Amino acid sequence: DTGVSQDPRHKITKRGQNVTFRCDPISEHNRLYWYRQTLGQGPEFLTYFQNEAQLEKSRLLSDRFSAERPKGSFSTLEIQRTEQGDSAMYLCASSFGSSGGLSTDTQYFGPGTRLTVL
Amino acid sequence: DQQVKQNSPSLSVQEGRISILNCDYTNSMFDYFLWYKKYPAEGPTFLISISSIKDKNEDGRFTVFLNKSAKHLSLHIVPSQPGDSAVYFCAASEYGTASKLTFGTGTRLQVTL
Repeated sequence: DTGVSQDPRHKITKRGQNVTFRCDPISEHNRLYWYRQTLGQGPEFLTYFQNEAQLEKSRLLSDRFSAERPKGSFSTLEIQRTEQGDSAMYLCASSFGSSGGLSTDTQYFGPGTRLTVL
Repeated sequence: DQQVKQNSPSLSVQEGRISILNCDYTNSMFDYFLWYKKYPAEGPTFLISISSIKDKNEDGRFTVFLNKSAKHLSLHIVPSQPGDSAVYFCAASEYGTASKLTFGTGTRLQVTL
């Protein structure tokens, strides 16, 4: 299977703990996105990488959140000092986009990591 | 501010009939639109897209129509099949934003026998 993969699929943690999620994009894709989805809502954009550079972050991404894509391949999303409001599905997507910011590349999503903060 | 709106939270259609899912947007800078299907406990699956230079795009049973003046798009599924039962999300991206997607809240489609 050469789709987007995410690990773990489920994570239960206690408030105040740190968690880290991993995303492996489709191999030839240079762009990688993180989204968050809560119940009854559509996915909300968190951050975006082109290769290893983090080019945009949403204001939803508080300073407790950090994302990396060290070699332009897989990415990690870390949440420090988790809060109950962080409980959500965290989705990763990848695409192949050309430089210049044209918005016509299609994003392919992984299965998501469901985070529950107790 | 909800820039992409799907005002029907649910829709029920008989197998073999047409399903029409609607989406409205407010941001006139959006120029690329996509529809995703989502099953429970899975990530969204890309279905079909349309650029703002077109008003229709067709792929098999799926057709997306775009009305730029009304800031409205719709997804038609003909004929509907039970396997189409899922939540459908409309998404849009703005020129120059490298495909950062803004999603609607979704419409749950149920195709009945």
